[in-house]
Amino acid sequence: EAQVTQNPRYLITVTGKKLTVTCSQNMNHEYMSWYRQDPGLGLRQIYYSMNVEVTDKGDVPEGYKVSRKEKRNFPLILESPSPNQTSLYFCASSGTGEVTLHFGNGTRLTVT
Amino acid sequence: SQQGEEDPQALSIQEGENATMNCSYKTSINNLQWYRQNSGRGLVHLILIRSNEREKHSGRLRVTLDTSKKSSSLLITASRAADTASYFCASFNAGGTSYGKLTFGQGTILTVHP
Repeated sequence: EAQVTQNPRYLITVTGKKLTVTCSQNMNHEYMSWYRQDPGLGLRQIYYSMNVEVTDKGDVPEGYKVSRKEKRNFPLILESPSPNQTSLYFCASSGTGEVTLHFGNGTRLTVT
Repeated sequence: SQQGEEDPQALSIQEGENATMNCSYKTSINNLQWYRQNSGRGLVHLILIRSNEREKHSGRLRVTLDTSKKSSSLLITASRAADTASYFCASFNAGGTSYGKLTFGQGTILTVHP
């Protein structure tokens, strides 16, 4: 089944403790992206990647890092999480010639 | 950055009624897309309308686009309780060099009562 898989689904952590949210897609898509969703703010893009080793900042990249060493994986790294990064995070992907996104089921992160 | 605005923020109707949601955007676009999100889940693509199209249909969905007013509407006909979800428009900016310029609105929460 074609899908975008995020892990974990829920994560509770403390301020300053590094964490990684994984994202993997099995559709051989070139494009991958991370969004955060907050009440009243909609979805805001954090980082995106056009292909392996090609990443770029979205609208709200501060406090986040990404890497794209393999085509299928696009992990989101929070080196020193803070409470304002408490949010619902989504990974999405798209293939060449497509203009629509395939989303994962989300990761709900709470930073205390 | 461009930010789509959706109207209304919330809509509550009875099963069988039609639901209309509106979206406005600020800059020229290549296409506009609508997505659906069930509570706390990932977004699912519903329909895409290109900038040179004025109306598009898919099943019970009808999308219109007015580029002169920089607005779009999504109509769901004969709504069902299973249509209860949040609906988002997303605009792809003209001149954007990558999918990174797909910008989402804040969404409309639709509740369909049985």
